[in-house]
Amino acid sequence: DIQMTQSPSSLSASVGDRVTITCRASQSISSYLNWYQQKPGKAPKLLIYAASSLQSGVPSRFSGSGSGTDFTLTISSLQPEDFATYYCQQSYSTPPYSFGQGTKLEIK
Amino acid sequence: EVQLVESGGGLVQPGGSLRLSCAASGFTFSSYEMNWVRQAPGKGLEWVSYISSSGSTIYYADSVKGRFTISRDNAKNSLYLQMNSLRAEDTAVYYCARVIAVAGTESADYWGQGTLVTVSS
Repeated sequence: DIQMTQSPSSLSASVGDRVTITCRASQSISSYLNWYQQKPGKAPKLLIYAASSLQSGVPSRFSGSGSGTDFTLTISSLQPEDFATYYCQQSYSTPPYSFGQGTKLEIK
Repeated sequence: EVQLVESGGGLVQPGGSLRLSCAASGFTFSSYEMNWVRQAPGKGLEWVSYISSSGSTIYYADSVKGRFTISRDNAKNSLYLQMNSLRAEDTAVYYCARVIAVAGTESADYWGQGTLVTVSS
């Protein structure tokens, strides 16, 4: 099975900062990579699919890049509502579609 | 408006069984693949199971294979997860999620609010 590793596990930042979260796959997954945002007590929300495509309704300050084994989620200018936990998920070939362990983004 | 509403969670003893349901509305349920995803208290997301739109193709995580059964009733716009031989480590919030296939990749674009399953004596 494919393992997904995110870094860092937690991150402190300020409103207006540019933030980058990294996700690495244990084998090449082409561009079959999704990013989700989850706030406490809420269901996850799809942000980015196919590594770099922005889901409808998601602000353009969110962007994704990468292919193969290394991927990044970038938030260009942090807003107060962006403080949450972020997960990557691979959807390469057939399931299991594993998630990364999550990156908790906190206010500095 | 797309809605997914889970039900059926609760407290169950180790070794017991529980059946989760997910009622879908606001879209053509029979056209979409579906997932179950769980989240143990204070932990990350864990993909649990997948079912194709017709129900003919099914996958499970190794952690639940042989104990959980996913199914769907397209006439009732409902998704199910039958959970048997439950263990303490199955304690989690269980989410149903709609799967979309875009640009060759699959992702979960709508999620329910989740239902809590607690396995404890």
